[in-house]
Amino acid sequence: EAQVTQNPRYLITVTGKKLTVTCSQNMNHEYMSWYRQDPGLGLRQIYYSMNVEVTDKGDVPEGYKVSRKEKRNFPLILESPSPNQTSLYFCASSPGTSGRIYNEQFFGPGTRLTVL
Amino acid sequence: GEDVEQSLFLSVREGDSSVINCTYTDSSSTYLYWYKQEPGAGLQLLTYIFSNMDMKQDQRLTVLLNKKDKHLSLRIADTQTGDSAIYFCAESPGSSNTGKLIFGQGTTLQVKP
Repeated sequence: EAQVTQNPRYLITVTGKKLTVTCSQNMNHEYMSWYRQDPGLGLRQIYYSMNVEVTDKGDVPEGYKVSRKEKRNFPLILESPSPNQTSLYFCASSPGTSGRIYNEQFFGPGTRLTVL
Repeated sequence: GEDVEQSLFLSVREGDSSVINCTYTDSSSTYLYWYKQEPGAGLQLLTYIFSNMDMKQDQRLTVLLNKKDKHLSLRIADTQTGDSAIYFCAESPGSSNTGKLIFGQGTTLQVKP
């Protein structure tokens, strides 16, 4: 089944304790992205990757890191989480943007993170 | 700048039509999308419209695009309780070749039996 998976689905942690949220897709998609969803703000892009070893900042990158060593995986790293990073996080992938203007993105189920 | 606005909440009775509205600012947007988020789940693409179209119909869904006013709407005919969800409008900014989508805040649709 074509899908985007994220782990963990729920995480409660404390300020300053490094954590990684994994994201994996099995559709051979070039493009992957991380969003955070906060009430009343919709989805805001954190980082995106247009291909392996190519990553760039989205609208709200502060406090986050990503890597794209393989096409299928795009982990989100919080080196020193803070309470303002408490949010619902979504990973998404799409076939790619090269020569395309239509960009349907496929979303993972979300990771609810609470930082105390 | 790029911005997408939606009202936050809509309540309808089962069997009625629902109309969810969205305004956007980037006149060069090529595609506009409607995504649906059910409770506890990720977003799923519901439908989309290309910017040179005025209307698109897909079963119970009708998308209307007024490019002059930069206004997009999603009409759901014969709304069912299973349509209760958050609906996000999104645009692909024409100025971006990065695959970026700009999302609205989401409209929570409540369907009463």
